[in-house]
Amino acid sequence: GENVEQHPSTLSVQEGDSAVIKCTYSDSASNYFPWYKQELGKRPQLIIDIRSNVGEKKDQRIAVTLNKTAKHFSLHITETQPEDSAVYFCAASYDRTGTASKLTFGTGTRLQVTL
Amino acid sequence: DADVTQTPRNRITKTGKRIMLECSQTKGHDRMYWYRQDPGLGLRLIYYSFDVKDINKGEISDGYSVSRQAQAKFSLSLESAIPNQTALYFCATSDSSGGGYGYTFGSGTRLTVV
Repeated sequence: GENVEQHPSTLSVQEGDSAVIKCTYSDSASNYFPWYKQELGKRPQLIIDIRSNVGEKKDQRIAVTLNKTAKHFSLHITETQPEDSAVYFCAASYDRTGTASKLTFGTGTRLQVTL
Repeated sequence: DADVTQTPRNRITKTGKRIMLECSQTKGHDRMYWYRQDPGLGLRLIYYSFDVKDINKGEISDGYSVSRQAQAKFSLSLESAIPNQTALYFCATSDSSGGGYGYTFGSGTRLTVV
C-alpha cells in the first residue's frame, strides 16, 4: 500500500518569511496529492491540491510542486501570517478519476508563525 | 449548507462497551470514509465505502465494524471498546464524479475509553 512521509514535524517561522513542508510517497501510481490545514480543535480543510499531470499549482500565497520522478511533493507558503499557524497534512491516492480516494496521510507538520 | 455531520461530538465510554459513531452528509457524495487521528500519527484509514453495497477495510480495521445504511449515512462501531481506541475520529466524504477533488471532513468525534 501507499506510504507517505512528511517533514518536518514542527516548523517555526517569523511572520513574513516563507515556509516549506515536504512529503514523499511510495506508490508511483498515485495521481492525486492534496494538502489539508487543521486549526486547533477543528476539522482538516483542503487548502490546495495537485494532480499528477501538473508539476506546479499556485493559489495566492500557497503553492504546491510535484516531482513524479523523485516521488515527492512540497507545500510552499509565502509571506506567512499568524493565521497560517496550524497543523498541515499532505496526502496521496490513486483513483482512475484522479480524485480523492482512500487518501494516505502524512503524519503532519505543526507550523508556528511568530511575530 | 451541505455538510458532513458527526454524532456524538464527544463520548466517554468504559472498556468492553459497544459504541456507535454516526456520520451523515448532505453533499450528495458517493464515497464515505472513517479515519482516526492520533497525535504524531496523522490520520489513518479504518474503513471506506464507495457506495451502499461496497464496504472495504482500511489499514487499521481490527476492532471496528461499519454500516452504510444509505448513501448519506455511514456508521462506525466499536464492538468492545478498549483504551487504545481513544482517539479523534473523523468521517469524510468525496465525490467520484469529478465535481470536486478533495475530501470533506466532519467535525470529528472525540472518543475516550476508560
